[in-house]
Amino acid sequence: KAGVTQTPRYLIKTRGQQVTLSCSPISGHRSVSWYQQTPGQGLQFLFEYFSETQRNKGNFPGRFSGRQFSNSRSEMNVSTLELGDSALYLCASRLGGRARDTQYFGPGTRLTVL
Amino acid sequence: AQTVTQSQPEMSVQEAETVTLSCTYDTSESDYYLFWYKQPPSRQMILVIRQEAYKQQNATENRFSVNFQKAAKSFSLKISDSQLGDAAMYFCAYRSSTYKYIFGTGTRLKVLA
Repeated sequence: KAGVTQTPRYLIKTRGQQVTLSCSPISGHRSVSWYQQTPGQGLQFLFEYFSETQRNKGNFPGRFSGRQFSNSRSEMNVSTLELGDSALYLCASRLGGRARDTQYFGPGTRLTVL
Repeated sequence: AQTVTQSQPEMSVQEAETVTLSCTYDTSESDYYLFWYKQPPSRQMILVIRQEAYKQQNATENRFSVNFQKAAKSFSLKISDSQLGDAAMYFCAYRSSTYKYIFGTGTRLKVLA
């Protein structure tokens, strides 16, 4: 079974631009979560989508948004990029319906904001 | 609010030796899960082991085992017979009853040949 895939793997943007990152979960997984990883803040939870609905949200400004499609693929959008948005963005998927399931991570998208 | 603390930013271990990574957490929930994830230099986060809070028995996966002390809110990871491939960042994670994950700041493990 293929793992979680994320595209693109690397991205360079300038301040003020917007960016969209994509995540394809493991086949059959209905939950997708997004995380921001930086050296200073570590891994911080952005949001979780389950069956096209946002189920959980972390403490990030409204510039960070996401959505999930009917095939469970998810996109994350960051508008009006700031230098501090430079980070590794990780996506994780899990089955989503049962308490015992585990989340599996993708390789991440490295975003650099200049 | 739940918190996860990893007090060891970096640890070293000789190849074939045993090392223990520490993790403490704070929560008022009774139903939760705890995880250890490994992130090698390639950056792909990999699940190492998980523990359900309602289980008293410590989880074990081959050379990896945990010491789960629920009353003390402690969840340490023991790696036996350390191998060069074990070198990575290790993250302790807490999953709440509402499926929210909280990660510790990580421990960088170096394995010395």
